[in-house]
Amino acid sequence: DTAVSQTPKYLVTQMGNDKSIKCEQNLGHDTMYWYKQDSKKFLKIMFSYNNKELIINETVPNRFSPKSPDKAHLNLHINSLELGDSAVYFCASSPQQGAGTDTQYFGPGTRLTVL
Amino acid sequence: GNSVTQMEGPVTLSEEAFLTINCTYTATGYPSLFWYVQYPGEGLQLLLKATKADDKGSNKGFEATYRKETTSFHLEKGSVQVSDSAVYFCALRNQGAQKLVFGQGTRLTINP
Repeated sequence: DTAVSQTPKYLVTQMGNDKSIKCEQNLGHDTMYWYKQDSKKFLKIMFSYNNKELIINETVPNRFSPKSPDKAHLNLHINSLELGDSAVYFCASSPQQGAGTDTQYFGPGTRLTVL
Repeated sequence: GNSVTQMEGPVTLSEEAFLTINCTYTATGYPSLFWYVQYPGEGLQLLLKATKADDKGSNKGFEATYRKETTSFHLEKGSVQVSDSAVYFCALRNQGAQKLVFGQGTRLTINP
């Protein structure tokens, strides 16, 4: 029944490691997103994909590489993790590109802790 | 550019009190406006939205009216419950744009 799912829910790792977070949506939506929520709860978009194509890249370091194998999946790979990458990462999806009234549906979040 | 400003939190109220969380925005176009809620340990859920001026969004007793003249979208509820304790985010999305621009969030705690 889950609409937007993310794995893992928690991720604890050492500085310098490479890790991935997976996201899947079963809503049939065309557009998917990654947002980062910092320790002060501030939410900011990182990437957006529409039908497997990158649409938004908000000046995110190139250690972050999103990959969309199909329109139902948008994974986030992070190389050489840094302390400042510790945050909660939310995946989201919406029906179609460019429809400003569309609701975005969020996953439960992945709490990443870099030690 | 586009931005959203919410009232500073945290906000603490007693059960059955009246709630207002202020939200004002700056946008280059004609945005849609949203309130999302994040309950403890969970992801964001859409609470309500309004897509044009003077529209009122409502859900679960919460209301917000899109005021173009004051560029505001204040969230209100007449009588809050303990279960309303959460972080509330105001957000906008411009026409034809992909991304949501969020305010900084307001943590609300309701005491019995």
